[in-house]
Amino acid sequence: DAGVIQSPRHEVTEMGQEVTLRCKPISGHDYLFWYRQTMMRGLELLIYFNNNVPIDDSGMPEDRFSAKMPNASFSTLKIQPSEPRDSAVYFCASSPGTSVRETQYFGPGTRLLVL
Amino acid sequence: RKEVEQDPGPFNVPEGATVAFNCTYSNSASQSFFWYRQDCRKEPKLLMSVYSSGNEDGRFTAQLNRASQYISLLIRDSKLSDSATYLCVVNKGGTYKYIFGTGTRLKVLA
Repeated sequence: DAGVIQSPRHEVTEMGQEVTLRCKPISGHDYLFWYRQTMMRGLELLIYFNNNVPIDDSGMPEDRFSAKMPNASFSTLKIQPSEPRDSAVYFCASSPGTSVRETQYFGPGTRLLVL
Repeated sequence: RKEVEQDPGPFNVPEGATVAFNCTYSNSASQSFFWYRQDCRKEPKLLMSVYSSGNEDGRFTAQLNRASQYISLLIRDSKLSDSATYLCVVNKGGTYKYIFGTGTRLKVLA
């Protein structure tokens, strides 16, 4: 299995631009998670989906952030407009979902720098 | 109070030493507990799940104390390759919402 795939791996953009991060979960996994990691705040859950339906988006910082999962094999996290404080590593993870005791498998992350 | 708290370290220990990390959590309804390992500029990876009865995997032992709401990780005979950040993870109640601690940095010295 290829594992969780994220693209791009690195993104440098200017303030005000739209940024779209992409994720392909492990095939057969029912849960997909988006996290953001910064030095100051650590790893924070932004949103998670079950069977393509958003379950909890309470971690999404503000309306500039949106996430979609149009099908079981693809999800996007969009930031519009981007701001320097959005600079972070964004991880996508997936889980089989048979139990809350199942582990999550993380993608390699997207390093975002907003200038 | 943070939902999951860890001592950030760093813990600098010599090779062969035994080192222990603790992590406290605030939600008494939490059901799932994990230790993840994160290497520099890499994604977190599961080290081990933590069960009520405690569990061991080679040089690693994890314990859960529900009464005091903390979990621990013990590493015996530390190796240079154990140098990493160790993240404590707890789920929120019975949900799939996982809360990560900010991590404890370990550096094993030759």
